[in-house]
Amino acid sequence: AQSVAQPEDQVNVAEGNPLTVKCTYSVSGNPYLFWYVQYPNRGLQFLLKYITGDNLVKGSYGFEAEFNKSQTSFHLKKPSALVSDSALYFCAVRDPRSGYSTLTFGKGTMLLVSP
Amino acid sequence: GAVVSQHPSWVICKSGTSVKIECRSLDFQATTMFWYRQFPKQSLMLMATSNEGSKATYEQGVEKDKFLINHASLTLSTLTVTSAHPEDSSFYICSTPDRAMNTEAFFGQGTRLTVV
Repeated sequence: AQSVAQPEDQVNVAEGNPLTVKCTYSVSGNPYLFWYVQYPNRGLQFLLKYITGDNLVKGSYGFEAEFNKSQTSFHLKKPSALVSDSALYFCAVRDPRSGYSTLTFGKGTMLLVSP
Repeated sequence: GAVVSQHPSWVICKSGTSVKIECRSLDFQATTMFWYRQFPKQSLMLMATSNEGSKATYEQGVEKDKFLINHASLTLSTLTVTSAHPEDSSFYICSTPDRAMNTEAFFGQGTRLTVV
């Protein structure tokens, strides 16, 4: 079975500083990995995905994520945080061998960027 | 990307009444839609898979008589919370299926249900 772990309930960072939101995964085969962001009382918005190829993936709003197969991680990063980045972030995984299955989500990490 | 419109964005209802939540795919035909429930500060929990023209598939522990799903057309799926109770208060989100294994899903805006 596939699973996702986001070890931090909350990440606090000052505006202008780099941020990292951690994600580790467990799947049987090569994973498809996704990051979504959720603002209060809104649905999820897609940020970026890793399918294959370059381990460093660039996405929306200046976010990027690095796929590390040996550490089974897919941490979300941004070089310089903005207050408007404050939101709930979800990492998700899909095992491509499992057919058209739904995504498995982590529990989410609240990012708070202070001015 | 695909556009999914969910309505209403919020609703308050009295205990014992029923509430219908609609999810529309605006630019594609969705034979399948997913319905999630999200508790405060928690992840999304898949409730059911809505299938156009056939019965929905419910996840273990989800009451199918409580959460009625209808997918009568290729652009509309509805979730009806019947005889609502305060414990049904939650955030409900619909989502498209994946067009392919390597594509992202698209989500509705979500519905905040409060049962008083």
